[in-house]
Amino acid sequence: GENVEQHPSTLSVQEGDSAVIKCTYSDSASNYFPWYKQELGKRPQLIIDIRSNVGEKKDQRIAVTLNKTAKHFSLHITETQPEDSAVYFCAASKGYDMRFGAGTRLTVKP
Amino acid sequence: DTGVSQDPRHKITKRGQNVTFRCDPISEHNRLYWYRQTLGQGPEFLTYFQNEAQLEKSRLLSDRFSAERPKGSFSTLEIQRTEQGDSAMYLCASSQSGSSREQYFGPGTRLTVT
Repeated sequence: GENVEQHPSTLSVQEGDSAVIKCTYSDSASNYFPWYKQELGKRPQLIIDIRSNVGEKKDQRIAVTLNKTAKHFSLHITETQPEDSAVYFCAASKGYDMRFGAGTRLTVKP
Repeated sequence: DTGVSQDPRHKITKRGQNVTFRCDPISEHNRLYWYRQTLGQGPEFLTYFQNEAQLEKSRLLSDRFSAERPKGSFSTLEIQRTEQGDSAMYLCASSQSGSSREQYFGPGTRLTVT
């Protein structure tokens, strides 16, 4: 089955800096890659997603890149703000089967 | 509230007892998923319904676990003879078949087995 690895497990940046989180997946049939943000005690919420026929997608300060050949994808957050502090999960999916990474705890220091 | 709802939000039970959780998806969503999340980990897939049909069960879902979605609307997840290892957050998500594959998560039910 699919295996998703996520790095780093914790990331601390200064407000205004960029943050990058990387994930790798094992199943080349996976074709949908969402990123979820989970604040403490709250539900995971989708922040951006990308499909396998696209290499890059951007939404304001958030961007995701996908390298299908290498089977890895990354989340980029620019101009970080304290409210970006949360746990971020990547996931890889084919059909309904979605597998999540273990998460990255991002701390943005003011 | 038009989001996914789950009930109860917290459940404390003694080992060996049975528990049942309920999930109400977004009304127009025909797909419903159950996940389990333990501290410091991402959600782990448990099972999936399309309408009332249960199409997939993870190997994580032992025979003590059962899920239903009788009318293709709300769903229940039952755990029989609970064990301490069942302590976790149980998340429900829903989505609509079609071009968008976004899954909308509920707030979860936190289960503590003492």
